[in-house]
Amino acid sequence: AQRVTQPEKLLSVFKGAPVELKCNYSYSGSPELFWYVQYSRQRLQLLLRHISRESIKGFTADLNKGETSFHLKKPFAQEEDSAMYYCALSGGNSGGSNYKLTFGKGTLLTVNP
Amino acid sequence: NAGVTQTPKFQVLKTGQSMTLQCAQDMNHEYMSWYRQDPGMGLRLIHYSVGAGITDQGEVPNGYNVSRSTTEDFPLRLLSAAPSQTSVYFCASSYKAYNSPLHFGNGTRLTVT
Repeated sequence: AQRVTQPEKLLSVFKGAPVELKCNYSYSGSPELFWYVQYSRQRLQLLLRHISRESIKGFTADLNKGETSFHLKKPFAQEEDSAMYYCALSGGNSGGSNYKLTFGKGTLLTVNP
Repeated sequence: NAGVTQTPKFQVLKTGQSMTLQCAQDMNHEYMSWYRQDPGMGLRLIHYSVGAGITDQGEVPNGYNVSRSTTEDFPLRLLSAAPSQTSVYFCASSYKAYNSPLHFGNGTRLTVT
């Protein structure tokens, strides 16, 4: 079974401070990891995916297979980063679980001025 | 492209009533899915489809039916609404059945009294 854990329901930081949203996963094969974001009054959208190894809006995330983690980081938080963030896992391209994207429970990030 | 379109945006039902939540996408996506979003629970997969004529159950399928007669449409039917089905429902689609980012609709907020 695949599982995603986001240990923090709420995270509050000040503008300009570093931010790290934690994500741990459980999956026996090679996972595909994603971060999705939902800004206020907007639809859920993809922020980044691990295979792209890209930085979006200053956010990065590195897949650590040893620690089974995919933490989202940004060195200097901005007020517009305030949103709900979801970590998600897909079972790669092996087996039936690849069709199911499993989400964590989400972390609500608030960036204070 | 309109992307993923969900209707209605809001709905109030009485216990025992039935209804259909509509979802349509105009991106020729192979994969479509339904999630429900509940406070503290994140997004949970209800049903999904990897192509026209093919559907399968997700994590929380009980009380819901789906069909996929065309590539574009993926309606979700509540057979006999219960207060436990009060939630925000999201339809999502992706180009391929695996390892492709999901595109979400705006959601349907359902209240069952």
